[in-house]
Amino acid sequence: AQKVTQAQTEISVVEKEDVTLDCVYETRDTTYYLFWYKQPPSGELVFLIRRNSFDEQNEISGRYSWNFQKSTSSFNFTITASQVVDSAVYFCALSEAWVDGTASKLTFGTGTRLQVTL
Amino acid sequence: NAGVTQTPKFQVLKTGQSMTLQCAQDMNHNSMYWYRQDPGMGLRLIYYSASEGTTDKGEVPNGYNVSRLNKREFSLRLESAAPSQTSVYFCASRGGTELYSGANVLTFGAGSRLTVL
Repeated sequence: AQKVTQAQTEISVVEKEDVTLDCVYETRDTTYYLFWYKQPPSGELVFLIRRNSFDEQNEISGRYSWNFQKSTSSFNFTITASQVVDSAVYFCALSEAWVDGTASKLTFGTGTRLQVTL
Repeated sequence: NAGVTQTPKFQVLKTGQSMTLQCAQDMNHNSMYWYRQDPGMGLRLIYYSASEGTTDKGEVPNGYNVSRLNKREFSLRLESAAPSQTSVYFCASRGGTELYSGANVLTFGAGSRLTVL
């Protein structure tokens, strides 16, 4: 069974601080995909990034960066110079690569609520 | 571009009442999903469907039924609502060039907030 753990329930930072959101996953698959989604106060779920299990290169997109370490089964998300608009719940998720004849499932962590204040 | 459309956005039911949450996508996606979101529990999969006419149980299927009558629509039915089904429900679809591929991104609807009294 697949499992995603986001141990940080809630994080509060002051604007311009850097913050890292942790994600640890469990899977028996050798090929899998990891995702991060953002849920702002308005409630919709916004896709941020996807990473496959064979690509351990870190990714940077503006103030966002992701660190994928297969050795520790972690896929952490860092926001540099946080802003109030970053306040949201962030979900890490894990997907099977392929399931013959049916849809692969996305398993979510419980989410980390990030509060950025002035 | 509508993407994934869910109706209704809000609903209040009394215990024992029934209702159907509707979901439609216009992206020609094969796979569709229903999740529920509860405080502190993240999103949990209720049911999913790989294609028209096929459905599978997810993590928390009890008390729900689904129907995938065509490629666009995937409905979730509560036959006899219970207070434990008070939640926010999200429908999602997944497409891409490879059928059933886990690489494909899920696109979510805006959510339906259901309260059962």
